Amino acid sequence: DIVMTQTPLSLSVAIGQSASISCKSSQSLKYSDGKTYLNWVFQSPGQSPKRLIYQVSKLDSGVPDRFSGTGSETDFTLKISRVEAEDLGVYYCCQGSYSPYTFGAGTKLELK
Amino acid sequence: QVQLQQSGTELVKPASSVKISCKASGYTFTSNYMHWIRQQPGNGLEWIGWIYPGNGNTKYNQKFDGKATLTADKSSSTAYMQLSSLTSEDSAVYFCAREELVYWGQGVMVTVSS
Repeated sequence: DIVMTQTPLSLSVAIGQSASISCKSSQSLKYSDGKTYLNWVFQSPGQSPKRLIYQVSKLDSGVPDRFSGTGSETDFTLKISRVEAEDLGVYYCCQGSYSPYTFGAGTKLELK
Repeated sequence: QVQLQQSGTELVKPASSVKISCKASGYTFTSNYMHWIRQQPGNGLEWIGWIYPGNGNTKYNQKFDGKATLTADKSSSTAYMQLSSLTSEDSAVYFCAREELVYWGQGVMVTVSS
């Protein structure tokens, strides 16, 4: 199975600051169709997860452009510029290129 | 709009089975994979498997082989997951999520306790 390693596991930020989360996969996530199925999923406390970004850098509908995803092959980053209170919660990277889908351990974004 | 409405909280006894549901609306049920994901208390997310309701094909995470069985009823646009031989380790919230995890159900909390 592909192992997804997220760092840091916890991140304290002040409102208005930026935040960055790293996700590394144990093998390349580039699939045979040329696409890289790396998602970022967000879960606020007590809520269902919500997908924010798919295929590394494509924002889902309604996701503010404060969010951005970059990376390729095995190295990926989620950046949040100007963190807002509604952004606090847990962020997971998730690969869907190869079965079984696997998730990172999650990064908890907290208020400083 | 797309909605995935899951069944309610379950309290079940060890060694028993439970079947939870996920009713889909707002899209063509038979044309999209349905995934199931587990979240144990205080833990992260684990992918259980998917079903393609159009033909009933399934794919499981090997970890859940023999534990989870995925089915779908096209007539009611409902996906099901049966969990068998339950132990305390199976106490968790279980989510259904549409293809590529773009839409999620609200989750079903399953508690295994005597």
